[in-house]
Amino acid sequence: QQQVKQSPQSLIVQKGGIPIINCAYENTAFDYFPWYQQFPGKGPALLIAIRPDVSEKKEGRFTISFNKSAKQFSLHIMDSQPGDSATYFCAASTKETSGSRLTFGEGTQLTVNP
Amino acid sequence: AAGVIQSPRHLIKEKRETATLKCYPIPRHDTVYWYQQGPGQDPQFLISFYEKMQSDKGSIPDRFSAQQFSDYHSELNMSSLELGDSALYFCASSRLAGVSDTQYFGPGTRLTVL
Repeated sequence: QQQVKQSPQSLIVQKGGIPIINCAYENTAFDYFPWYQQFPGKGPALLIAIRPDVSEKKEGRFTISFNKSAKQFSLHIMDSQPGDSATYFCAASTKETSGSRLTFGEGTQLTVNP
Repeated sequence: AAGVIQSPRHLIKEKRETATLKCYPIPRHDTVYWYQQGPGQDPQFLISFYEKMQSDKGSIPDRFSAQQFSDYHSELNMSSLELGDSALYFCASSRLAGVSDTQYFGPGTRLTVL
């Protein structure tokens, strides 16, 4: 059972478009929600992360919107570029003093056409 | 900035052989996590170590074992390899687990079992 559900599975936009990727979770103990970008054959790279006490966080062209009551969060990529073409994973973890595993969504393969 | 180092980057083994994957965390990071990622899949948590003690255990087969050494590097030992073990194996590290949840991933080891 996937604890973090991600959609869509794939997404194609034109350069300059604003792709939006959505995630939903059930475990209310989750309190940290990062987004990772992964290129083929490479390790996931942290893009941006949010905690449930804020509803929105923006870093550069990347924005996370968080809806605690709906247990949903989303990633918006402003002014998307062909170089943004990659797989994006949302993730979630709980607060533990000795480190918390990341539970990932299924991933979204984003293609940005020139 | 220093990143997580994993070795080897590629490994080819026969069925029933053993493999050892190594991970060198970012300096001053005290927590190491191991993840397995199959083709087209999201990373799945295997095991983690905080201050050289196992801190969490996920879906790691009994054929696998891991440890964290006094210099904080970690090794994942895999025995009786099966075809289904072919995957990318990522190590991630974090510092002051519970204070900073950010996990930084290494470039991965691609294991191919023939």
